[in-house]
Amino acid sequence: AQSVSQHNHHVILSEAASLELGCNYSYGGTVNLFWYVQYPGQHLQLLLKYFSGDPLVKGIKGFEAEFIKSKFSFNLRKPSVQWSDTAEYFCAASGNTGGFKTIFGAGTRLFVKA
Amino acid sequence: EADIYQTPRYLVIGTGKKITLECSQTMGHDKMYWYQQDPGMELHLIHYSYGVNSTEKGDLSSESTVSRIRTEHFPLTLESARPSHTSQYLCASSEFGYSYNEQFFGPGTRLTVL
Repeated sequence: AQSVSQHNHHVILSEAASLELGCNYSYGGTVNLFWYVQYPGQHLQLLLKYFSGDPLVKGIKGFEAEFIKSKFSFNLRKPSVQWSDTAEYFCAASGNTGGFKTIFGAGTRLFVKA
Repeated sequence: EADIYQTPRYLVIGTGKKITLECSQTMGHDKMYWYQQDPGMELHLIHYSYGVNSTEKGDLSSESTVSRIRTEHFPLTLESARPSHTSQYLCASSEFGYSYNEQFFGPGTRLTVL
């Protein structure tokens, strides 16, 4: 069955700390991977996505993610977080199987202390 | 400005009432979706549409129904609301054709059924 698993539900960091949020997926066939972010009071929006080519993907606000096919992982990283990165982060997968439907993880709530 | 809108943002109603959650987009997108989201849980797809007069049920069983008479409009209806329907409902849209197309989300409707 298709699924997306996020390792941590809640993460608390101090400003300038490094961030890594884990994401593992189970999806048959060619897979496209996404990280979405929801800042407090705002819509869910795309942070970055991978669909082919360089497995290291760079997104907005200094975020990046690495697709490791052998580990079925797509972890999100940022070298130095800011207070404004406080948000909920969702990993998601879609592909040509399953009717193009997107499967979302349960989300990770990140709180950055100033 | 192209966007996706949902009304109402918050709704508290009694058991047995009929309700319609509105979703409109000015993105010009063919595909639209409804997700149900509970705190700390995955977004669950409950309905989607490929275009006008196309509606499909998603992975999560839902007692709601949807219609797609116009490209930009994708309302969700509950004929008789129950406390088990209490949740957040997110509407989204995407361009048709490729599984790597990102989804654009509305602000959500938080429904409470007493």
